Amino acid sequence: AQSVAQPEDQVNVAEGNPLTVKCTYSVSGNPYLFWYVQYPNRGLQFLLKYITGDNLVKGSYGFEAEFNKSQTSFHLKKPSALVSDSALYFCAVRDFSGNTPLVFGKGTRLSVIA
Amino acid sequence: GAVVSQHPSRVICKSGTSVKIECRSLDFQATTMFWYRQFPKQSLMLMATSNEGSKATYEQGVEKDKFLINHASLTLSTLTVTSAHPEDSSFYICSARGDSSYNSPLHFGNGTRLTVT
Repeated sequence: AQSVAQPEDQVNVAEGNPLTVKCTYSVSGNPYLFWYVQYPNRGLQFLLKYITGDNLVKGSYGFEAEFNKSQTSFHLKKPSALVSDSALYFCAVRDFSGNTPLVFGKGTRLSVIA
Repeated sequence: GAVVSQHPSRVICKSGTSVKIECRSLDFQATTMFWYRQFPKQSLMLMATSNEGSKATYEQGVEKDKFLINHASLTLSTLTVTSAHPEDSSFYICSARGDSSYNSPLHFGNGTRLTVT
């Protein structure tokens, strides 16, 4: 069965500093990996995905994520955080092999402090 | 880009009544839509997969007679919470893929905050 772990409920970062939101996953085959962001009382917005190819994936709003197969991780990163990045971030995974549902992590709340 | 519109954004209803939530794909056709439920400070729980022209596929533990899903067209799926109770109060979100590819990202509606009094 697929699963996603986001070990941090909350991440606090000062504006201008780099940020990392952690994600590890478990699937039976090769993974499709996604990051989504959710603002208050809103649906989720797609940030980026890893399907195959380069391990470093660049996405929207200056975010990037690094796929590490040996560590089964897909941490979300940004070199310089903005206050407007404060939101709830979800990592999600699907098994490459079929039309299995997308499984979400429990989310990490990012708070960027001015 | 692909836009999913969900309506209403908020609804308050009395216990025992039914509530319908609409999910529309505005600029693309969605043969499959997904309905999620989100509890406070928790992740999204997939409730069901809505298939155009056929019955929805419900996840284990989700009552299909309580959460009625209809996907009558390629651009509209509806979720009806029947005989709502306070424990049904939650944030419901629909989503769809922009195309049929399994690796396409999901596009989400803005969600519906349901409060049952």
